[in-house]
Amino acid sequence: DAGITQSPRHKVTETGTPVTLRCHQTENHRYMYWYRQDPGHGLRLIHYSYGVKDTDKGEVSDGYSVSRSKTEDFLLTLESATSSQTSVYFCAISDRGTAGTEAFFGQGTRLTVV
Amino acid sequence: QQQVKQSPQSLIVQKGGISIINCAYENTAFDYFPWYQQFPGKGPALLIAIRPDVSEKKEGRFTISFNKSAKQFSLHIMDSQPGDSATYFCAAREWEGYQKVTFGTGTKLQVIP
Repeated sequence: DAGITQSPRHKVTETGTPVTLRCHQTENHRYMYWYRQDPGHGLRLIHYSYGVKDTDKGEVSDGYSVSRSKTEDFLLTLESATSSQTSVYFCAISDRGTAGTEAFFGQGTRLTVV
Repeated sequence: QQQVKQSPQSLIVQKGGISIINCAYENTAFDYFPWYQQFPGKGPALLIAIRPDVSEKKEGRFTISFNKSAKQFSLHIMDSQPGDSATYFCAAREWEGYQKVTFGTGTKLQVIP
C-alpha cells in the first residue's frame, strides 16, 4: 500500500457530536481527497485539497469541512454528525506529473452515527 | 445523475470462466479510465487503466476493451480465480484543476470453485 494512514479505523458516535477523521500520507503527493462509500453509490467525493490550505468541495460536501495545514495531513470534520453520515470514508492521494496518474486509497474509516 | 453507469451489480462466475463487467459514460471530457479492485475491509486499488485513444489494454488475465464511439468500456477477467472475488469499480477521470474521478457503483464478483 502507498503510505496512507487513516485514523481512526472504526468509530461509533452519537448524533449531533463533532467528529474528525485524519488522513496522513508519507508520499508527499500534492492532491488529497476524501470520499465516502455507500452501497449502490460507489465512491463519492466529499472534499479535496490541491495544496496546503487549498481545499474545495466535491459532490457531497454538505455537513463536512476539511483542513490541510501540512502537506501530509488532511482532516475531515463532521461538525454535527447525523445518521445519514454513517458510511465508510476513504482518503486518497494523487500527484500529477506522469501520464496515467492514479489515486492511491487508504484503508478506510467505518463511521457509525447512532 | 450517474455519470458512469456500471453493470451488473453482482456477478457469479465459475472458476476458469470469463468475468465481464461493463461501464458506460456520457462526458466526453473524460481522458482516463481506471478500474479499481476492492477486497473487504480494504481501500480500492488500481487494477488496470486505459486512455480513450486505445481500444484494448491487457495485463495478465485482465483486459479492458474500450469503444470510444459508443462511450463504453468493459473489464474482462480471463480464467477467473477465487482470489479474484472482490468488488470492482470502473471510473473515469477528467481534470478540473484537480484529478476529478467519477466512479461507477461497483460490481461484486464471486468466483466459485
